[in-house]
Parts: sequence; structure tokens; C-alpha cells
Amino acid sequence: GAVVSQHPSWVICKSGTSVKIECRSLDFQATTMFWYRQFPKQSLMLMATSNEGSKATYEQGVEKDKFLINHASLTLSTLTVTSAHPEDSSFYICSASGVGRNEKLFFGSGTQLSVL
Amino acid sequence: KQEVTQIPAALSVPEGENLVLNCSFTDSAIYNLQWFRQDPGKGLTSLLLIQSSQREQTSGRLNASLDKSSGRSTLYIAASQPGDSATYLCAVASNDMRFGAGTRLTVKP
Repeated sequence: GAVVSQHPSWVICKSGTSVKIECRSLDFQATTMFWYRQFPKQSLMLMATSNEGSKATYEQGVEKDKFLINHASLTLSTLTVTSAHPEDSSFYICSASGVGRNEKLFFGSGTQLSVL
Repeated sequence: KQEVTQIPAALSVPEGENLVLNCSFTDSAIYNLQWFRQDPGKGLTSLLLIQSSQREQTSGRLNASLDKSSGRSTLYIAASQPGDSATYLCAVASNDMRFGAGTRLTVKP
């Protein structure tokens, strides 16, 4: 079946550095990709929705200049956390869907970010 | 704005019991509803997807129902096993994807 690959699984970085997370759809064209964040013991929160070739739509309260999303191709979307701070430490997960809104949503395995 | 609620927040049952998890949503104009399980520290695993035109889906011991008009879905787990212990999330697709807060299920041996 369809697979979404997310890398890296774990990343530890110093405060002030930038971290890039990749999300790839391996055997289907992902027209839409979603980025979520999950803090401990909380639910997944949608950060942004990206459609291939266009700018991402960010949820209220998510800083678009801090969380840069690029969806340049139908198989790759990236999330860059710029100038990361300890409060950005979280579990980030991407998901992708194919053509049509009734397509099933497939998830990456997530990235645990720890900012020291 | 779509809001998704899951009840209960946590559930503990002895092995072998049948159980029901509930999911409600405020806007009935949805495309589909999906149930996931999340194991600690891991990503999501999709369990069942119900299209807006469907009323239920079954996979093994799992059965999910959808009543779009009342804004409700249930996930029924038959003959629960300790391996079923996880957090179960429902997600509603309309203009975007909204998740409930999840139900943390513990199945005791």
C-alpha cells in the first residue's frame, strides 16, 4: 500500500539552529500534505496544509516565518523549523493524501524534535 | 470551524471485553472520517476509513460506524486484547483534517 516516509525520526539541536524535516510519498502522488504537531499528552494539532506548487495555508497561531513549508513536488514536502527554541520541542508528523478528497490519509512515522 | 470530541478520554477494560469508543463532530459536511491508533512515541496507524456516503466499515475485530446527520461515529472493538492498548484517534476530513483528543485504551491481561 501507499507509504509515507518521514525523516529524521529523532533530532536534537541547539537553540537557535534550524531543523528540516522531510516527508515523502513513496508510491503515490501526494497533492496535499498536512503537518501536525503533538505536545506530550495532547492531541495532534494541525499546523498547516500544503498543496503542491502553492503556498501553505497555516492554522491560526502558527508562525509561517518560523515553520517554513515547501511542497515543491508531488512526492516531497519539507518543514523547516527556523531558529528553534526549547518550546518548539515536540513530535511533528506529516500526512499525505492523493488525488481527490476521499483519498485515504497516510501518515509518516513522525519526528521527535528536542531543542536544548 | 469543525470541532471533534472523543469520549471517554481514557478507558481500562479486562481482556476479552467488547468496547465502544465514541467520536462526535460539530459540522456534518464531511468527506470522510478515519480512525487511527497511536502507540507511544510512534506515528499513527490508520485503522478504518468511512466515506461520507457509508454507514460503517469493518476490519477484523474492528467495526466503525458513521451517523453523519447526528455528527457521531463509534469504533467497536470485539474481544479486546492487551495488544489493543493504545490511543485511538478519530479524524474528520472536511476542508481540512481535524483530530479528536483521543481515547487512551488499556486492556488488562
